[in-house]
Amino acid sequence: GENVEQHPSTLSVQEGDSAVIKCTYSDSASNYFPWYKQELGKRPQLIIDIRSNVGEKKDQRIAVTLNKTAKHFSLHITETQPEDSAVYFCAATLNQGGKLIFGQGTELSVKP
Amino acid sequence: EAGVAQSPRYKIIEKRQSVAFWCNPISGHATLYWYQQILGQGPKLLIQFQNNGVVDDSQLPKDRFSAERLKGVDSTLKIQPAKLEDSAVYLCASSSDYTDTQYFGPGTRLTVL
Repeated sequence: GENVEQHPSTLSVQEGDSAVIKCTYSDSASNYFPWYKQELGKRPQLIIDIRSNVGEKKDQRIAVTLNKTAKHFSLHITETQPEDSAVYFCAATLNQGGKLIFGQGTELSVKP
Repeated sequence: EAGVAQSPRYKIIEKRQSVAFWCNPISGHATLYWYQQILGQGPKLLIQFQNNGVVDDSQLPKDRFSAERLKGVDSTLKIQPAKLEDSAVYLCASSSDYTDTQYFGPGTRLTVL
């Protein structure tokens, strides 16, 4: 079945530095790739997503890139701030409105 | 726009007891999902409804878990009897017919002792 691997599991950066989180997926038919941010004890919140017909998408300090050939996608956060500290999950899905297959999560810590 | 509502927020039970969780999706959202999130892991889908029909329940432990969405709006997830390994956060999410975006509720944290 579909599987999503996410690395690293933990990431510590200094405020102002960039952070990169990488995910690989197993099913080449996957066509939608969202990223969720989950603060401690709170719900996952969508921060950015990308579809398989697009290679890159940006929204202010965050960007996502997709390499369909290699079956991997990455989250890039620039000019990190302490409030970016959270667990980030990547996910993939085969069909519109279908179930999300989540990665294992990356705990990002931004030190002031 | 009101978000996905869930209750209760926390529940502590003894093993072999029963428990039920409730979810009210965003108004007008036809698709409703129940995910299980074990500590330190990503959410895992238990069951997906489209209106009041089941689309995917392949990972639902049907010997102890059940879910329903009788009127195509709110939904309940039940565990009977609970096991220690059921300790997790149970997240409900919903999406409309026209987008992939899933919006999550605050979750119910279940502790089985």
